[in-house]
Amino acid sequence: QTVVTQEPSFSVSPGGTVTLTCGLSSGSVSPNYYPSWYQQTPGQAPRTLIYRTNTRSSGVPDRFSGSIVGNKAALTITGAQADDESDYYCVLFMGSGTWMFGGGTKLTVL
Amino acid sequence: EVQLVESGGGLVKSGGSLRLSCAASGFSFSYYNMNWVRLAPGKGLEWVSSISSSSTYIYYADSVKGRFTISRDNAKNSLYLQMNSLRVEDTAVYYCARGEYGDYQWGQGTLVTVSS
Repeated sequence: QTVVTQEPSFSVSPGGTVTLTCGLSSGSVSPNYYPSWYQQTPGQAPRTLIYRTNTRSSGVPDRFSGSIVGNKAALTITGAQADDESDYYCVLFMGSGTWMFGGGTKLTVL
Repeated sequence: EVQLVESGGGLVKSGGSLRLSCAASGFSFSYYNMNWVRLAPGKGLEWVSSISSSSTYIYYADSVKGRFTISRDNAKNSLYLQMNSLRVEDTAVYYCARGEYGDYQWGQGTLVTVSS
């Protein structure tokens, strides 16, 4: 069965830029998978950052951006801030009305 | 303001049942597809189920198919998840989410704990 892959962890310096990726164990991610990105802080509801590859959700600052890089979807955070330290999840449309989340990336800002 | 308020979570024994509800307000509920997503302790988000605005299209993750039933009552602005034959691995915070194609607005979640 195809799974959605994400880096388990990543670190970035304050003010730095980081790109998190979302891939498939078999195949390439394209806009047809409607890749979307969410920020999850423990004890809080998820927050939608990006949907349909590169559309920012309402209220999300423009230092968060989405794209396709090579054969993966990507979330880039520029000018990282301390409160960006969270878990980040991508989700892909797998067809037949079903969706699959990646395992999440734990981002550390230090 | 869009509000989604989940309820119905709690502690249940393996094999038992629970019915989750999601009360929606601040938008035209009947126009939107709705979803359930869960977050198990120490694990990642998992899409559970989706239902179209008029209940015409319903989809489930393989992990819950045949055990969970999603439904909605547009007159009551409410979304439901009937969970039967619960397993320990169903323990999670269950979120109600409005929208489609990943453009979700989220409720605060309700905790379901399944004990052995």
